[in-house]
Amino acid sequence: NAGVTQTPKFQVLKTGQSMTLQCAQDMNHNSMYWYRQDPGMGLRLIYYSASEGTTDKGEVPNGYNVSRLNKREFSLRLESAAPSQTSVYFCASSDGRDRYATNEKLFFGSGTQLSVL
Amino acid sequence: RKEVEQDPGPFNVPEGATVAFNCTYSNSASQSFFWYRQDCRKEPKLLMSVYSSGNEDGRFTAQLNRASQYISLLIRDSKLSDSATYLCVVNPILTGGGNKLTFGTGTQLKVEL
Repeated sequence: NAGVTQTPKFQVLKTGQSMTLQCAQDMNHNSMYWYRQDPGMGLRLIYYSASEGTTDKGEVPNGYNVSRLNKREFSLRLESAAPSQTSVYFCASSDGRDRYATNEKLFFGSGTQLSVL
Repeated sequence: RKEVEQDPGPFNVPEGATVAFNCTYSNSASQSFFWYRQDCRKEPKLLMSVYSSGNEDGRFTAQLNRASQYISLLIRDSKLSDSATYLCVVNPILTGGGNKLTFGTGTQLKVEL
């Protein structure tokens, strides 16, 4: 069972370079998310897609763009990387069909360690 | 005040011990609560949801205290494999989805021989 697959696992960029983090889920989930995790801070939502064809900003969207390519795939792009974007990035998905968030369970990918020099 | 606050620890306990963590939240209207477990350099995984009446899953018990705005996680008979960071997660609204979740910074547990 693959679940949520994200690539790459590690990446080193120079300031100003661009890159795209890829994420795919095979659970037929409607909702997908991109988070970043920094030391001393909880996971923070960058962007999310409640359903295919929609994307919305989360708590920390500046410097990022996303694409919900289809129901399975949700990519995160850094157009011009900055040292402040050094972080661990997690993609996640959830069913999204439950009207009540009480039962919303997130499934995470294994993460991408990104360093921007 | 942070929306979700946790003691970062680490909590160092001997194998077989009982350990409890608390997590406080600031939004009194918060509707749903969860504990996630995160192993070192790995992704978070849902450990259990926290229901108003409290709930138990094997050695793990989660409780909610709305009056004092905190949730707790109790681990009995700790195992070496319980060593991890435990994330408190709060959803401030009843409807909607995972995009509303607020994550705490986590409490680190180390179970020792």
